[in-house]
Amino acid sequence: GAVVSQHPSRVICKSGTSVKIECRSLDFQATTMFWYRQFPKQSLMLMATSNEGSKATYEQGVEKDKFLINHASLTLSTLTVTSAHPEDSSFYICSADRTRGGGYNEQFFGPGTRLTVL
Amino acid sequence: AQSVTQLGSHVSVSEGALVLLRCNYSSSVPPYLFWYVQYPNQGLQLLLKYTTGATLVKGINGFEAEFKKSETSFHLTKPSAHMSDAAEYFCAVSDRGSQGNLIFGKGTKLSVKP
Repeated sequence: GAVVSQHPSRVICKSGTSVKIECRSLDFQATTMFWYRQFPKQSLMLMATSNEGSKATYEQGVEKDKFLINHASLTLSTLTVTSAHPEDSSFYICSADRTRGGGYNEQFFGPGTRLTVL
Repeated sequence: AQSVTQLGSHVSVSEGALVLLRCNYSSSVPPYLFWYVQYPNQGLQLLLKYTTGATLVKGINGFEAEFKKSETSFHLTKPSAHMSDAAEYFCAVSDRGSQGNLIFGKGTKLSVKP
């Protein structure tokens, strides 16, 4: 159990276009999902925390108008990269929070989406 | 504030040798600690985690880690490396009082020589 999917797994787009990435928790409900960005050979950097039914919380330095997050249901969060530029090319990974009891939640990660902006 | 330091961005071992990946953390509250593995162009897979209880934690694929509060460490070990263990390994810490926010170390790339 606790499977998280992302779609698409890989996308190539032209500069100036928008790209939507979906993150789904397949067998559990997630009130909270997280979006990370990973540059080559670097660690994951948290971009934002997505809460079902409310606005996302963005980390410092992340442009909320550029990276639009929508968490419309308990199993789906979307990240839209608007007016993409080559510097937005990266590996985007989502995770979904699952309550495990005992006072902590566990994150389950999606397989990632490789975005290349030409 | 919490932080994670992974010593050594790249570790190389021979097949069959001991694997030791180091992780030190900083946390003002008792932490939850995690080790994840990432294969190329894939997401993260949880290897093991420490929350409460026994400080020696066993995970998948023969890995284990020991939480040492006095040393603020959570080093990952495996007695005998396999070629399939070659991957990127991330240590992470979570504040048990948070909603599960993870702070990741910079990662350690493990290479296994035949």
